[in-house]
Amino acid sequence: DQQVKQNSPSLSVQEGRISILNCDYTNSMFDYFLWYKKYPAEGPTFLISISSIKDKNEDGRFTVFLNKSAKHLSLHIVPSQPGDSAVYFCAAPHYQKVTFGTGTKLQVIP
Amino acid sequence: DVKVTQSSRYLVKRTGEKVFLECVQDMDHENMFWYRQDPGLGLRLIYFSYDVKMKEKGDIPEGYSVSREKKERFSLILESASTNQTSMYLCASSFSQSRELFFGEGSRLTVL
Repeated sequence: DQQVKQNSPSLSVQEGRISILNCDYTNSMFDYFLWYKKYPAEGPTFLISISSIKDKNEDGRFTVFLNKSAKHLSLHIVPSQPGDSAVYFCAAPHYQKVTFGTGTKLQVIP
Repeated sequence: DVKVTQSSRYLVKRTGEKVFLECVQDMDHENMFWYRQDPGLGLRLIYFSYDVKMKEKGDIPEGYSVSREKKERFSLILESASTNQTSMYLCASSFSQSRELFFGEGSRLTVL
């Protein structure tokens, strides 16, 4: 039972444009979400998070939006840069477990 | 800077061999985790530990065991490796009150 889903396995975007990565969840008990970025042959690194008491959190070029009623969150990257090319995972902690989505591979084309 | 170190970046083992994957963190984190990453399946939790000598099964514990004898070290053990355990293994740690995980660089295991 996949409680955190990323339905787009890959996304290709032109440099300078907006990248939108989506994530859906099924467990209404989730109250905090994180996005991680992973380059090949490296471990994931934390990117940005959002609490369920907010519907938006911004950090530089990265913004995460949360729609609790739809159980949906999205990560916006504006403007996209070639160095953003990586796999992005959304994640939901619950008690001491953290459940990850399947990931979206973003390619930013120069 | 938090450092999570995994002992081997690349391993090649034969079916039936016993495999140890070691992970050490230097930030006095209470929680430690083992995940595996497979294409199309994302990161799946194998085991986690919230204290020394404590362990909890994750979503896919079959075929694996773990050991946490010291706070800074969390070992993943494959008693008898099989080809379907070929994967990227990722160790992570966190403070008990924090939801942010810090990951090691990963160990790519190939079982022939």
